[in-house]
Amino acid sequence: EAQVTQNPRYLITVTGKKLTVTCSQNMNHEYMSWYRQDPGLGLRQIYYSMNVEVTDKGDVPEGYKVSRKEKRNFPLILESPSPNQTSLYFCASSRRTDSYGYTFGSGTRLTVV
Amino acid sequence: DAKTTQPNSMESNEEEPVHLPCNHSTISGTDYIHWYRQLPSQGPEYVIHGLTSNVNNRMASLAIAEDRKSSTLILHRATLRDAAVYYCILRDRDNYGQNFVFGPGTRLSVLP
Repeated sequence: EAQVTQNPRYLITVTGKKLTVTCSQNMNHEYMSWYRQDPGLGLRQIYYSMNVEVTDKGDVPEGYKVSRKEKRNFPLILESPSPNQTSLYFCASSRRTDSYGYTFGSGTRLTVV
Repeated sequence: DAKTTQPNSMESNEEEPVHLPCNHSTISGTDYIHWYRQLPSQGPEYVIHGLTSNVNNRMASLAIAEDRKSSTLILHRATLRDAAVYYCILRDRDNYGQNFVFGPGTRLSVLP
């Protein structure tokens, strides 16, 4: 089944403890992206990647890192999480051309205490 | 960036058609019109997209105005499962990565 898989689905962590949220897609998509969703603010793009080793900042990149060493994987790294990064995170992927829509993962609910 | 405007909320009765409007008066020639929906506790789900011509798929139809400054997502027979937030988004064919902006969307309620 074609899908975007995020792990973990739920995570509670403490301030300052480094964490990684994984994202993997099995559709050979070139483009991948991370979003966060907060009440009243909607979905906001954190980082995106056009292809392997090509990444760029979205609208809210502060406090996050990403890497794209393989086409299928696009992990989101929080080096020193803070409570304002408590949010619902979504990974998405798509083919390179605009003939295709995004496929989203099921989300990761992160709580930083 | 081209932006879209949608009503905050709409209500429909089950098994009736629903027309969800979207205004995008600053759309450029290379912008595709995408629609997504987000069911409670799930990630956004692709619904349909188009450029100039009306489009149909198994989920919905997309009607695009001749001047492309507005579009309408049509659910032909609303079911309770269609209750969701619907997002109308413009995606630049030549800049597909950047600024794929989700606005507040339209929250659709379906009444039994």
